[in-house]
Amino acid sequence: EIVLTQSPGTLSLSPGERATLSCRASQTVSSSYLAWYQHQGGQAPRLLIYDASRRATGIPDRFSGSGSGTDFTLTITRLEPEDFAVYYCQQYGSSPLTFGPGTKVDIK
Amino acid sequence: DVQLVEAGGGLVQPGGSLRLSCAVSGFTFNMNWMSWVRQAPGKGLEWVANINEDGSEKNYVDSVKGRFAVSRDNARNSLYLQMNSLRAEDTAVYYCVKGIGYLGPWGQGTQVTVSS
Repeated sequence: EIVLTQSPGTLSLSPGERATLSCRASQTVSSSYLAWYQHQGGQAPRLLIYDASRRATGIPDRFSGSGSGTDFTLTITRLEPEDFAVYYCQQYGSSPLTFGPGTKVDIK
Repeated sequence: DVQLVEAGGGLVQPGGSLRLSCAVSGFTFNMNWMSWVRQAPGKGLEWVANINEDGSEKNYVDSVKGRFAVSRDNARNSLYLQMNSLRAEDTAVYYCVKGIGYLGPWGQGTQVTVSS
């Protein structure tokens, strides 16, 4: 099973600032099958990025994903108030699907 | 609009059973793999099970194998999760999700609490 580690655990930033979130895998994620999700409390999680760098339908271009192998990054270029949430990475290159523990982006 | 609406959660005693359902609309249900994902209190997301388009292939996380069963009714555009021999550690919000790899859209979830 691929174990995903996310850092930092919490990121405290102000609206308008840039957020850089890291996801590291315990082994190579095949074909860069890595996704990112946003989860706001009490709401359904939302798919942001798939295949490491492809934005899902309707996701603003301030969200971008990069990386390959074992190291992946989600970048939010200018934080909007609605972006303060928990972000999870997930790999689907091997079974079982696994998620990282999440990074909470909160308001500084 | 795509909608996934879960139902059937509740409070159940250890060892009990519960059947979750998910009503789907807004996409061609019978052409898509579907999954269940859960989130225990204060924890992250955990994939639970998935099922292929016609229900002939099913996969489970090790911790629920032999206890949970995923199924679907394509005529009713509905997904199900039969949960037996429930344990305290099964307490979580259970989400119905479209997909097998990257997952989305997601339902709002239904709370399952296993406690005496």
